[in-house]
Amino acid sequence: KAGVTQTPRYLIKTRGQQVTLSCSPISGHRSVSWYQQTPGQGLQFLFEYFSETQRNKGNFPGRFSGRQFSNSRSEMNVSTLELGDSALYLCASSLGWGFTDTQYFGPGTRLTVL
Amino acid sequence: KQEVTQIPAALSVPEGENLVLNCSFTDSAIYNLQWFRQDPGKGLTSLLLIQSSQREQTSGRLNASLDKSSGRSTLYIAASQPGDSATYLCAVLGAGANSKLTFGKGITLSVRP
Repeated sequence: KAGVTQTPRYLIKTRGQQVTLSCSPISGHRSVSWYQQTPGQGLQFLFEYFSETQRNKGNFPGRFSGRQFSNSRSEMNVSTLELGDSALYLCASSLGWGFTDTQYFGPGTRLTVL
Repeated sequence: KQEVTQIPAALSVPEGENLVLNCSFTDSAIYNLQWFRQDPGKGLTSLLLIQSSQREQTSGRLNASLDKSSGRSTLYIAASQPGDSATYLCAVLGAGANSKLTFGKGITLSVRP
């Protein structure tokens, strides 16, 4: 069974631009959650989607948004990029929502904002 | 607000040692606790998931224990190998509605040949 895939793996953007990251969950998984990982703050939860509905949201500004499609694939968008948005963005998939099941993570997208 | 602490931040041991990685959390009202491994520049791999009603879980050379009342979990790695070198993170899921996973910052383990 294929694992969680994320595209692209690396991105370089400049301040003020916007970016869209994609996550394809394991087949059969309907929950996708997104995380930002930085050396200073560690792993921080962004949001969780299940059956195309946002179920939970972390404490990030409205510049961070996401959506989920009917095939459970998810995208995350960051508008008006800031230098502090440079991070590894990870997505995870699971069978059910609410983090009660094992979370399976993708390899991440490394975003660098110049 | 749940806080998860992992100390020390880094650990270096010779190959073959049995070792214990610690994770502490401030709110004992948890649903489950997960241990993950992260290799440099890569995503997380789930190692063990312990439900709040369980005391421990085992997988191969790994054993994780949970003591909710004291807010602690330990990951025991038997007979460590250089391939165990990675960052180990624990994550706690709160018991309330709309709870999120709260992660520790991880322990970076280096196993010397």
